[in-house]
Amino acid sequence: ETGVTQTPRHLVMGMTNKKSLKCEQHLGHNAMYWYKQSAKKPLELMFVYNFKEQTENNSVPSRFSPECPNSSHLFLHLHTLQPEDSALYLCASSQGPVAGKNEQFFGPGTRLTVL
Amino acid sequence: GENVEQHPSTLSVQEGDSAVIKCTYSDSASNYFPWYKQELGKGPQLIIDIRSNVGEKKDQRIAVTLNKTAKHFSLHITETQPEDSAVYFCAASFSGNTPLVFGKGTRLSVIA
Repeated sequence: ETGVTQTPRHLVMGMTNKKSLKCEQHLGHNAMYWYKQSAKKPLELMFVYNFKEQTENNSVPSRFSPECPNSSHLFLHLHTLQPEDSALYLCASSQGPVAGKNEQFFGPGTRLTVL
Repeated sequence: GENVEQHPSTLSVQEGDSAVIKCTYSDSASNYFPWYKQELGKGPQLIIDIRSNVGEKKDQRIAVTLNKTAKHFSLHITETQPEDSAVYFCAASFSGNTPLVFGKGTRLSVIA
């Protein structure tokens, strides 16, 4: 596989469920990102990881918990979500700040529906 | 922090006509301006970008222009085709050091 992959592509969960989203990049990048995309809103940056270290958390509620075990994998653990959390969750990667480049490559996203 | 405004939110053009989407940014330190295209059911894909050391960049039917003084940049698509129909996002950042800040997107419809 090439580029950035995300699984699952679609997820329906109840408010009491616990689930995880997975992202994998095959580009040799060092930075990975989680974004939330809701209808009629800009892409909202949630978390940034550089070299497995979290460097940004944009005031995201604690019901979203990221994990970055290595530079190629990124997870978003979900628990006790609310219906307003329903959105497209996008993962992206880039070479990172050390390389002085910020071109980001996105995965196809996970469409999340919270009932 | 950086703030990016994008206009229009929707744009319909006849096939073969040109389309222009405009963005303004607030942080004069920003020096990297990419444009992304998002088709239905897919993630955004980088289509062209420009850095602040140039005023214009072209790639076949698409071009981007940058006015640093006015802090605005634009995407130009010529000879539009139905497959150009998508949502287009502009973004800005200080290259390599800050995450991208995105505009709200423009839904482009090319009518055959």
